[in-house]
Amino acid sequence: QTVVTQEPSLTVSPGGTVTLTCASSTGAVTSGYYPNWFQQKPGQAPRALIYSTSNKHSWTPARFSGSLLGGKAALTLSGVQPEDEAEYYCLLYYGGAQLVFGGGTKLTVL
Amino acid sequence: QLQLQESGPGLVKPSETLSLTCTVSGGSISSSSYYWGWIRQPPGKGLEWIGSIYYSGSTYYNPSLKSRVTISVDTSKNQFSLKLSSVTAADTAVYYCARHGWGSSSYGDYYYYMDVWGKGTTVTVSS
Repeated sequence: QTVVTQEPSLTVSPGGTVTLTCASSTGAVTSGYYPNWFQQKPGQAPRALIYSTSNKHSWTPARFSGSLLGGKAALTLSGVQPEDEAEYYCLLYYGGAQLVFGGGTKLTVL
Repeated sequence: QLQLQESGPGLVKPSETLSLTCTVSGGSISSSSYYWGWIRQPPGKGLEWIGSIYYSGSTYYNPSLKSRVTISVDTSKNQFSLKLSSVTAADTAVYYCARHGWGSSSYGDYYYYMDVWGKGTTVTVSS
């Protein structure tokens, strides 16, 4: 069973910078896993932020960026806003159209 | 603007079959670029991919659910459906449908994305 691991929780101050990571139990995450990132606020459906490692959707705020960092996929928020408080999920593609979500990171802006 | 809407019973009895439909509006489900998937989220927990279908009918399932899941597509109604058999309380969740697919850049690189989600529908398994 493939497991995708994210930090359970992180706290950041308004205006600060925070990086969330996404690791795979199969080894280093590469661009071939096509990492996607989603934001979910309470009571809402997830909203897509980043696709294929670092590409932004047309609606993604500029302060969100994606990358690969130390064998993991990473989502960086720069100049964090109070409205960025949410749960963030990564999604990895394992080939054969097999998809696995990470367990999620609860981001608190305090 | 593409929209997805889940529908189906909100309450299912243990051991019965959960059936949900996702209606696609603002675009065609028959587009060759896209897959159509189901994702669920148990109360207070994370997201779990259930499975997906291509417009042609090819299906891909989460190995942990494969024995109980059937996803089908009805292109005439622009809908795709989920059936999950032999449900238990552990299948209680919000069920989402979503679009995902592949594209290629001007440089020839492939990219993969999951971009449009339905609002979700809550299904409770209880007698």
